[in-house]
Amino acid sequence: DTGVSQDPRHKITKRGQNVTFRCDPISEHNRLYWYRQTLGQGPEFLTYFQNEAQLEKSRLLSDRFSAERPKGSFSTLEIQRTEQGDSAMYLCASSKGGYNEQFFGPGTRLTVL
Amino acid sequence: GENVEQHPSTLSVQEGDSAVIKCTYSDSASNYFPWYKQELGKRPQLIIDIRSNVGEKKDQRIAVTLNKTAKHFSLHITETQPEDSAVYFCAALGGPFNDYKLSFGAGTTVTVRA
Repeated sequence: DTGVSQDPRHKITKRGQNVTFRCDPISEHNRLYWYRQTLGQGPEFLTYFQNEAQLEKSRLLSDRFSAERPKGSFSTLEIQRTEQGDSAMYLCASSKGGYNEQFFGPGTRLTVL
Repeated sequence: GENVEQHPSTLSVQEGDSAVIKCTYSDSASNYFPWYKQELGKRPQLIIDIRSNVGEKKDQRIAVTLNKTAKHFSLHITETQPEDSAVYFCAALGGPFNDYKLSFGAGTTVTVRA
């Protein structure tokens, strides 16, 4: 499968714990995006990388969230001190530059108890 | 920022009939408009997209129209089939200084009755 992959697919954690998600984009794609999707809503933009540089962060991304893409390949999204409101599907996408199709991964479903 | 509104939120059609979903956007600089289909528990997948220099685009049973003056775009599915049942999202991508952030509508749940 040469598409976007994400790991884990599901994560259940207790409030206050830290969690980390991983995204592997399509190999030749220089852009990588993180979105959050809650039930009954469309995905909401969180942040994006062009190669290894994080160029934009949404105001939705509080100080408890941090994302990295250290070598311009895979990316990680960490949430510290999780809250119940963080429960959502976290989607990763990648593209070859702007104004091109963003290919989505299967998502990581986070449940905070 | 960009605000995308999508209607209707649910749509039930008889197999073989047409389905139409409409979206409006607020940022006149937006110039790329994709449509994604998301089946239950699966990733969003692009089904068709249109750029601002084009008024209409068709791919087999799916067509999209764009009215830049009115800032709205629509998805048309003809001869609907049960496998068309899914949630459909419209989205808009901004202008030269915002060519990364897709703003999505809230989605339309389409049910095709056999």
